[in-house]
Amino acid sequence: SQTIHQWPATLVQPVGSPLSLECTVEGTSNPNLYWYRQAAGRGLQLLFYSVGIGQISSEVPQNLSASRPQDRQFILSSKKLLLSDSGFYLCAWRKKGPNYGYTFGSGTRLTVV
Amino acid sequence: AQSVTQLGSHVSVSEGALVLLRCNYSSSVPPYLFWYVQYPNQGLQLLLKYTSAATLVKGINGFEAEFKKSETSFHLTKPSAHMSDAAEYFCAVSSDTGANSKLTFGKGITLSVRP
Repeated sequence: SQTIHQWPATLVQPVGSPLSLECTVEGTSNPNLYWYRQAAGRGLQLLFYSVGIGQISSEVPQNLSASRPQDRQFILSSKKLLLSDSGFYLCAWRKKGPNYGYTFGSGTRLTVV
Repeated sequence: AQSVTQLGSHVSVSEGALVLLRCNYSSSVPPYLFWYVQYPNQGLQLLLKYTSAATLVKGINGFEAEFKKSETSFHLTKPSAHMSDAAEYFCAVSSDTGANSKLTFGKGITLSVRP
């Protein structure tokens, strides 16, 4: 069976510090991968998605970047965090093709102080 | 372009009462539609999905939703609310099932269940 792992579960970081959130998927190959952010009262916003190794599409210009160094690994990064980067970050994956749903990880709660 | 509108941010029902959470979508092509549930500080769990087969979709935990093209709606219902249904619910649309498929979410509705 397929599983998705996200870590860490919670993170408190000072303004200006770097960020690295990691997401890995097991039990599948060549998935589509996604990073979403959930800010309080604002629903879920798609940040980045990837259809393959090294292929990253950015949906919202901002202080964050994403990378996909391996087929089932998706990393969200920042060189210098802003207060506005606080939120709940969710990774998701999906098989390519019709009729497949999106499966989400358990999320990372990031608080920038 | 695709979008989802979830009317209202909070719905409160009594235990045993009907649950109705509304969702309207906008899509330039036939959409795929989803409902997700989120419990506090957890990820999203898929309740059900519409993928152009039957218009009445049954999901987990007794929830179902009906796709109505003429109304561009995909409302979520449950005949009898349970205390454990209290959570946040998100409707989402995907208009592209190919390599560039992505989900667009509504802002979510918080469901409270009164004893």
